[in-house]
This record gives sequence, structure tokens and C-alpha cells, in this order.
Amino acid sequence: KAGVTQTPRYLIKTRGQQVTLSCSPISGHRSVSWYQQTPGQGLQFLFEYFSETQRNKGNFPGRFSGRQFSNSRSEMNVSTLELGDSALYLCASSVGLAGGSETQYFGPGTRLLVL
Amino acid sequence: QQQVKQSPQSLIVQKGGISIINCAYENTAFDYFPWYQQFPGKGPALLIAIRPDVSEKKEGRFTISFNKSAKQFSLHIMDSQPGDSATYFCAASLNNNAGNMLTFGGGTRLMVKP
Repeated sequence: KAGVTQTPRYLIKTRGQQVTLSCSPISGHRSVSWYQQTPGQGLQFLFEYFSETQRNKGNFPGRFSGRQFSNSRSEMNVSTLELGDSALYLCASSVGLAGGSETQYFGPGTRLLVL
Repeated sequence: QQQVKQSPQSLIVQKGGISIINCAYENTAFDYFPWYQQFPGKGPALLIAIRPDVSEKKEGRFTISFNKSAKQFSLHIMDSQPGDSATYFCAASLNNNAGNMLTFGGGTRLMVKP
């Protein structure tokens, strides 16, 4: 079974621009979560989507948004980019069962550099 | 209350030795504790995980010890190998009946010397 895939793998943008990152979950997984990884703040939860609905949201400004499509693929968007948005953005998928936490499987990430 | 504290930040171990990484948490609502291994340029990969009703779980050279009363858990890597050199993250998952989210420790950079 193919793993979580993310595109693009690398991205360079300038301040003020916006960016869209894409994630395809493992086949059969309906939950997709996004995380930001930086040297200073570590790994931080952005949001989770299930059945095209945002279920959870981390403590990030409204410039960070996402969506999920009917095939469970997800995109996240960052508007008005700031230098501090430079990070590795990780997508993780899980089956999406109710009733307890479950294993999340991570993709390789998208490395975003904001100049 | 959502924090997970991980120590040490870095660790150097000789080949064949035991690597031990510790984590502590505050929120008793956490119900799943995975460990992830991350190599440079890669995403985190699940190594081993435990639920709070179990005190120990072993998979090959990797063991999680879990102390619910102390709100601590640790990863032991037996017979450490140079190929184990990577960054290790502990995490805790909170299921709030509307989904689940991982809270990560700060990471431990492990170097195994040949």
C-alpha cells in the first residue's frame, strides 16, 4: 500500500505571497492532519480533517487554512506568507475510527522557504 | 497542560549500548503514546506505541516503559546501532471525541558511535 504523499516537496516563496500544499493519504484513510515542524518550535499541530470537515484546529493564525476533498485528499493554504512560516509542513493520515486515538502515518513533508 | 517534555535533547551512545529517552506529560486525558523516528529530509516514521493500560511494550530492540501514576514514559533502544542515529520524538494523542491530535516532545538527537 502506498504511503502518504505530499506535493510539492520543496517550495520557495516571498513574503506576502500565498501557497497551497497538497497531501494524498494512505488508501482507505479518511483522516488527514497537518503539522508544522521548525527548529525553534518543534512539531506543532495545525488542523485535522475528516469527511471534508475540520475536526480539530491548533493554535495558528487564520492565515493557515485547509480543506479536504471527497476522495480524502487534503490541501493546506497559507496566505500572506511571513518569514516565520518557513518550515517543514507534514501531513499525516489515519483510518479515522471513532472511540479513541489511532496511529497517524506521516508523509515526507513539504519544505517551504519564505524569502 | 498540553505539553509533553522530552529529555535529553541529544544523546551519544556507543554501538551495542542502550539508548534511553524519557518523556513526561501532564494531561491525563492523553490515551495513546507513540514514538516516532525521523531521519534528515524524511517525515517521522512510527517506531512503537503504547496505550496507558499497559506498562511495557517491546518490539525487537525497542521497548516502551509506561508509568501512569508518574505520568512518564520512556523509550529504550537495546544493542544500539549506527543506523539508529536519528531524531526521536515522543508524542501523546488526545481524542476529544471529535478527532485526535498529537502533541510532540521536543525531540532527541541520537548518535550511535561505531
